[in-house]
Amino acid sequence: GENVEQHPSTLSVQEGDSAVIKCTYSDSASNYFPWYKQELGKRPQLIIDIRSNVGEKKDQRIAVTLNKTAKHFSLHITETQPEDSAVYFCAANRDDKIIFGKGTRLHILP
Amino acid sequence: GAVVSQHPSWVICKSGTSVKIECRSLDFQATTMFWYRQFPKQSLMLMATSNEGSKATYEQGVEKDKFLINHASLTLSTLTVTSAHPEDSSFYICSAYPRQGIQPQHFGDGTRLSIL
Repeated sequence: GENVEQHPSTLSVQEGDSAVIKCTYSDSASNYFPWYKQELGKRPQLIIDIRSNVGEKKDQRIAVTLNKTAKHFSLHITETQPEDSAVYFCAANRDDKIIFGKGTRLHILP
Repeated sequence: GAVVSQHPSWVICKSGTSVKIECRSLDFQATTMFWYRQFPKQSLMLMATSNEGSKATYEQGVEKDKFLINHASLTLSTLTVTSAHPEDSSFYICSAYPRQGIQPQHFGDGTRLSIL
């Protein structure tokens, strides 16, 4: 079955700097890779997703890259702001199911 | 649109009690729903796939007799935690596809279960 590894588990960046979170997946059949932001006690919120037919996608300050050959995908947040502080999860599909990485706690330092 | 509603949002009960959690798709029909469990400071772990009109499919290590799933209609799936114990205390979240099999899924608000 699908296994999703996520690094780092904790990340602290200065406000205004960029943050990068990296994930790997194991199932070459996976073709959908969402990223979620979760605040304490709330549902995960989809912030961006990418499908296997593209290598990069951008939405304002957020971008995701996908390397199918290496089974790597990454989240990039530029010009970080205090409200970006949260836990971020990468995920990959296994058939119609979504399998989550272990999460990255992002701290934006003033 | 595409709202998934979960109820209750929070429940506290005594050890040995059975607790039912509802997951409803409010403005779409869902033949498949998914149940996740999230312990504090951990990730969401898929527990089972709920299939309308048929038996749920459980992930490895999840006890089907402990976590009863019923998906009797196209808009409602229920998860019953039977004879709950403190180690069952967790955040339970459901999800569903507004359009069958087409990502992304939509998540409910979750149910925080605390067993005393």
